Amino acid sequence: GAVVSQHPSRVICKSGTSVKIECRSLDFQATTMFWYRQFPKKSLMLMATSNEGSKATYEQGVEKDKFLINHASLTLSTLTVTSAHPEDSSFYICSARGASGRYNEQFFGPGTRLTVL
Amino acid sequence: AQKVTQAQTEISVVEKEDVTLDCVYETRDTTYYLFWYKQPPSGELVFLIRRNSFDEQNEISGRYSWNFQKSTSSFNFTITASQVVDSAVYFCALSEASYTGANSKLTFGKGITLSVRP
Repeated sequence: GAVVSQHPSRVICKSGTSVKIECRSLDFQATTMFWYRQFPKKSLMLMATSNEGSKATYEQGVEKDKFLINHASLTLSTLTVTSAHPEDSSFYICSARGASGRYNEQFFGPGTRLTVL
Repeated sequence: AQKVTQAQTEISVVEKEDVTLDCVYETRDTTYYLFWYKQPPSGELVFLIRRNSFDEQNEISGRYSWNFQKSTSSFNFTITASQVVDSAVYFCALSEASYTGANSKLTFGKGITLSVRP
């Protein structure tokens, strides 16, 4: 139980295009989802926290117009990198958390590697 | 503000050696949670342990053991008889007091890259 998937696992795009990354909780309802960014050989940096049906809360320094987060259902959150540029190339990881019981933990997805040419 | 320091950046050992990964944390909370995660080359974070601040008992799970010392704000992780499959990046993390609250965040250290050579 407590499986989180991300799609796609890897994406290469041209500069200026927008890319959407999906995060799904497969066997539990995720009231909260978190989006992290990880640069090579670096730590995970929290970008934003989203609750189902509400606007995401972004960390300081993260451009909300650049990184659009939608948490439309209890099993799906999406991160859209708008007008991507090479500096947006990174490893993006989501985590999902249920409301109670054994799902009251952050369960991490496998990550999405974004390369912007 | 919360902070996690993993002073070691890269460690290389030969298989069957024991290795200890250090983690020092800072927090003003009296109640908090500490974690260790493993990130193999595939990239997926693997949860290893969660420990709350009131439980200072050391824990052993197979070849893994954890030493929580509140007096020195440290939560060190030891792998006994290391194996090649232990090669990964290991992250220590800290959560704020209300971890059971839905929006509580994790603060990660910078990670330690462990290489175990055959």
